[in-house]
Amino acid sequence: QSALTQPASVSGSPGQSITISCTGTSSDVGAFKYVSWYQHPPGKVPKLIIYEVNNRPSGVSNRFSGSKSGNTASLTISGLQAEDEADYYCTSYTRRSTLVFGGGTKVTVL
Amino acid sequence: QVQLVESGGGVVQPGGSLRLSCATSGFSFSTHGMHWVRQAPGKGLEWMAFRPNHESAEYYAYADSVKGRFTASTDSSKNTLYLQMNSLTTEDTAVYYCARDRYGGNSGGLDIWGQGTMVTVSS
Repeated sequence: QSALTQPASVSGSPGQSITISCTGTSSDVGAFKYVSWYQHPPGKVPKLIIYEVNNRPSGVSNRFSGSKSGNTASLTISGLQAEDEADYYCTSYTRRSTLVFGGGTKVTVL
Repeated sequence: QVQLVESGGGVVQPGGSLRLSCATSGFSFSTHGMHWVRQAPGKGLEWMAFRPNHESAEYYAYADSVKGRFTASTDSSKNTLYLQMNSLTTEDTAVYYCARDRYGGNSGGLDIWGQGTMVTVSS
């Protein structure tokens, strides 16, 4: 199972919006609503920020939003803040009943 | 308080075995699916294994990279998840996390994570 494709890095200034893409195939991202996003700050534990494409767990800022079109899912962070600096990963359920992670995207706040 | 605590990591020689444990508390262990995820040094997160809320082994799922070498299991009386790792190679060196799925099935919404346990495979 190949990893989902994410850009290696994305950067933005405070207050700006950035979008991270997550490209899979018709056997994973394109086939199911089970796409999730995780925020993983250095030295900390991953945190679920989006599940089932566009749902936020309780307590997650509404500055985080998710969407999907075809085989590509996207995470948008609006009103970028310094605390948003972290690695971000997408995951998708697959037709083989497994999960697959994206390669990760490093977000830098300029 | 919902909590996952991994243990069992350490240094092991190539070809060796290790068993990781994930002690859970604060929620109904039998209601949620459970996952193992790892992160090799300098690399991204990699999904390893899944145990559904029901314990039928036929519904367990594994990544191709560990299928046939790693086996997930549970002890419901102890609310604990295990990962038996055999035929270890240097490629298995990583921090291993256990994580809870939001649902009983494999939705990929891993809402609670443990702190991780380090496994180093080295001669």
